[in-house]
Amino acid sequence: EDQVTQSPEALRLQEGESSSLNCSYTVSGLRGLFWYRQDPGKGPEFLFTLYSAGEEKEKERLKATLTKKESFLHITAPKPEDSATYLCAQHSGYALNFGKGTSLLVTP
Amino acid sequence: DTAVSQTPKYLVTQMGNDKSIKCEQNLGHDTMYWYKQDSKKFLKIMFSYNNKELIINETVPNRFSPKSPDKAHLNLHINSLELGDSAVYFCASSQGQGVLGNQPQHFGDGTRLSIL
Repeated sequence: EDQVTQSPEALRLQEGESSSLNCSYTVSGLRGLFWYRQDPGKGPEFLFTLYSAGEEKEKERLKATLTKKESFLHITAPKPEDSATYLCAQHSGYALNFGKGTSLLVTP
Repeated sequence: DTAVSQTPKYLVTQMGNDKSIKCEQNLGHDTMYWYKQDSKKFLKIMFSYNNKELIINETVPNRFSPKSPDKAHLNLHINSLELGDSAVYFCASSQGQGVLGNQPQHFGDGTRLSIL
C-alpha cells in the first residue's frame, strides 16, 4: 500500500527561526504530491501541488520542493501566524492519501 | 462565499441512531469526497464520487453510504451509529479524477460527530 510519512510529528520554532518539514512517500506513478495547512477546527487548506522531481513552488514564507522519494516544506523566518498542522498527501489515483501531519508552533 | 460547506458543524447523538451530514460545493467541481479524521488527527478517504463512479474505501463499513442528489451535493448517511464512529468528517471536492486525478481538493470545515 502506498504510504506517506511525515517528520517531525511536532516542531516548535522561535519567530524568525527557519526550518524544514519532511514528507517521504512510496508510490509508483506519482500523480501529485500535495501540501495542506490545517488550523484547529478547520478543514485542510490547499498550499501546493508538486508533480515531478526537481519542482519547487513558493508562497510567502513557504517553499515546497520534491525529489523522487521526498518532499520538503521549507519555512523561512516563520511568524506566529504560521502555527498550524501541515499535511502532506500523495494522490492515490482516486483520492488523497495523507500523512499524519507535522504540528508547528511558532512562538514570539 | 463558502466554497465547500457542511452541515451540521456539530452532531451529538446516541449509539444506534441513524444520521446524515450534508455537503454542498459551489465550485462547479465534478468530483466530491468524504474523509474521516480520527482522534489522532489522521485523515483517511472514505468515498470518492462523480456522476459516473462511486469508489469506496474497502475499510468503510456498509453502514456508511453517500447520496448525491445532484453534482453540487454529496451527503453522508450513517446507520446504526457506533461509539467508534466518533470523529470529524470532512467533505471535499475537486475538478477531475481518474488518470489525471491530480487537481487540488478543497475541503469543508468538518462535522464533529460525537456518539454517546
